Amino acid sequence: NAGVMQNPRHLVRRRGQEARLRCSPMKGHSHVYWYRQLPEEGLKFMVYLQKENIIDESGMPKERFSAEFPKEGPSILRIQQVVRGDSAAYFCASSPGQVYNEQFFGPGTRLTVL
Amino acid sequence: GNSVTQMEGPVTLSEEAFLTINCTYTATGYPSLFWYVQYPGEGLQLLLKATKADDKGSNKGFEATYRKETTSFHLEKGSVQVSDSAVYFCALGGPRNTGTASKLTFGTGTRLQVTL
Repeated sequence: NAGVMQNPRHLVRRRGQEARLRCSPMKGHSHVYWYRQLPEEGLKFMVYLQKENIIDESGMPKERFSAEFPKEGPSILRIQQVVRGDSAAYFCASSPGQVYNEQFFGPGTRLTVL
Repeated sequence: GNSVTQMEGPVTLSEEAFLTINCTYTATGYPSLFWYVQYPGEGLQLLLKATKADDKGSNKGFEATYRKETTSFHLEKGSVQVSDSAVYFCALGGPRNTGTASKLTFGTGTRLQVTL
């Protein structure tokens, strides 16, 4: 059973460009979470999605950030008009939903904004 | 709101030494508690968990006991190895038996360096 897949693993963007981060959850998992890890810090929750629904986006910045989890295909975290402060590691986790709280993490996407 | 406080790192130990990484939390109700480990350049792996008071989670020689009276979930290992060098995160999730998953609140992480 393949784990949570994220791509790309490394992404470099210039200020003002768009960044698209993809996450494919584990097979059978219908819950996806995105977290951001700034250098030397812990992970901060951004958004929680189920198929075609955003359940909790309380950790998402109000501007430039959006997330989706379509019926088919991976979950996408989109950052528009990136700034240097967006440089971080972005981790996706998935959960089957039946087992409370246990989340399985992907390897992360390391975004660098030049 | 929920919060997790971990001891500051880095922690440097010799191989076979005893390890304790302190973790305390603030939460309403009865949260679930987790320890995750992050090896260099990788994502987080679940190390162990406990979902109710007095539960002990254990895995790979690591243990942690859910102490509601002290709101703590300290990580321990009797004899560390060089391969245990990593960053350890304490995390708090929603209460058990909710039937739904919920977001995790993480501590800032504790870097462990084990030397020969």
